[in-house]
Order: sequence, then C-alpha cells, then structure tokens
Amino acid sequence: AQKVTQAQTEISVVEKEDVTLDCVYETRDTTYYLFWYKQPPSGELVFLIRRNSFDEQNEISGRYSWNFQKSTSSFNFTITASQVVDSAVYFCALSEGYAGNNRKLIWGLGTSLAVNP
Amino acid sequence: NAGVTQTPKFRILKIGQSMTLQCAQDMNHNYMYWYRQDPGMGLKLIYYSVGAGITDKGEVPNGYNVSRSTTEDFPLRLELAAPSQTSVYFCASSYSPLGEGNQPQHFGDGTRLSIL
Repeated sequence: AQKVTQAQTEISVVEKEDVTLDCVYETRDTTYYLFWYKQPPSGELVFLIRRNSFDEQNEISGRYSWNFQKSTSSFNFTITASQVVDSAVYFCALSEGYAGNNRKLIWGLGTSLAVNP
Repeated sequence: NAGVTQTPKFRILKIGQSMTLQCAQDMNHNYMYWYRQDPGMGLKLIYYSVGAGITDKGEVPNGYNVSRSTTEDFPLRLELAAPSQTSVYFCASSYSPLGEGNQPQHFGDGTRLSIL
C-alpha cells in the first residue's frame, strides 16, 4: 500500500537557519511521482515541486532544494537561510503508480514550520 | 487569471441540512478533484473526475455526491450534513493525470465548513 510519512509534526527555527523537512514514502510501484506543497497561514495550497521515480537528480530552486533517494525511499526538502515568510505547513505527497487516468495523490500529514525572527 | 474558484469561502450548517460547494476552473482542465482537510491532517480525496460526465470515488466518499456536467464545473453535494463533515474543503484541477507533464495540480482557496 502507498503511504507517505512526515515524521516531523512541528519544527521551529530562527531566521537564517537551514532546515530540512523529511519525507519517507512507501510504494510497490516502479513508476511514481512525488510532490511537495506549501500551505501558508492564509490556507491556500502552493505547488513546489514534482519528481518522477526515474529522476534521482537533486533539484535546487533558489533557497529550496530537494534530495530524492530511492535507496531510502526519501524525498527530503531543505530550506537554506530560512525566512519568516517560509512559515507554513509543508506537505509531501505520492502519486500512485500508472493506472491510466486513475492516478491519485496520497498525502503526508504535513510538517508545520515556524521561522522566528 | 481566475484559476480554480470555490464558493462559498465559509459556511455554517445545521445537522441534517444539505448544501452544494461550488468549484469552477477556467483553465480547460479535464481532471478535477475534491479534498477535505481536517485539523492537523493531510488532504483526503473525496471524489475526482477525469472529464465531463465521468466521476469516481476517492478515499472518503461517504456522505458526498458530485456531478460533472461541464468541463468547468465540479460541484460537491452534502445531502445530510453531519458534524464529522466539519472540515476545510479544497477543489483542485489539473491538465493531465497527476504526475504527467509539467502541469501541477491547481488548488482553490478552500471552503471552511462547520456543521453544528
């Protein structure tokens, strides 16, 4: 069965610190997709990244970086030099393996990040 | 660019009442989804649709109904509201099946629903 675990419920850091949010997933599929979404206090969901199971290259986007390791079934998210605006709940999600049109997202419970000035 | 529009933003219902949560997207997306988010929890899929006239159940469909008569609209119906349905409801759409292409899922701003 597919499952996404975000073991860190809450993280609190001081501005400018680096912080890593962990995501561990379970799937029996060989083709799958992983996502990170941000949910700021205003409540909307903001797409951050999508990664497919065949691409293990790490990705960097500004202060954000992602480390995908199939060997440990992890897709961790690092924010470098955190800022107060990064305060949000971050969700990791897994897309079930290929099933034509019936692909759905399995969501982790989220990690609430508080960046304090 | 409107994107995904949900109405209403907030609603309080009495137990047993019914209501329809509206969702509309103007991006000509075939795929649309309804999620609920309970406090401190991730999103759970209620129903989804892969195109006009086609809908299917997600993880937690009980107590809800959907229809998809047009590409743009995907309303979610609560027939007999129960306190367990108190949640924030998100509608989303995507151009392609999740994960394919470079198009992510676009979310509405959510509807906060309380059943008292």
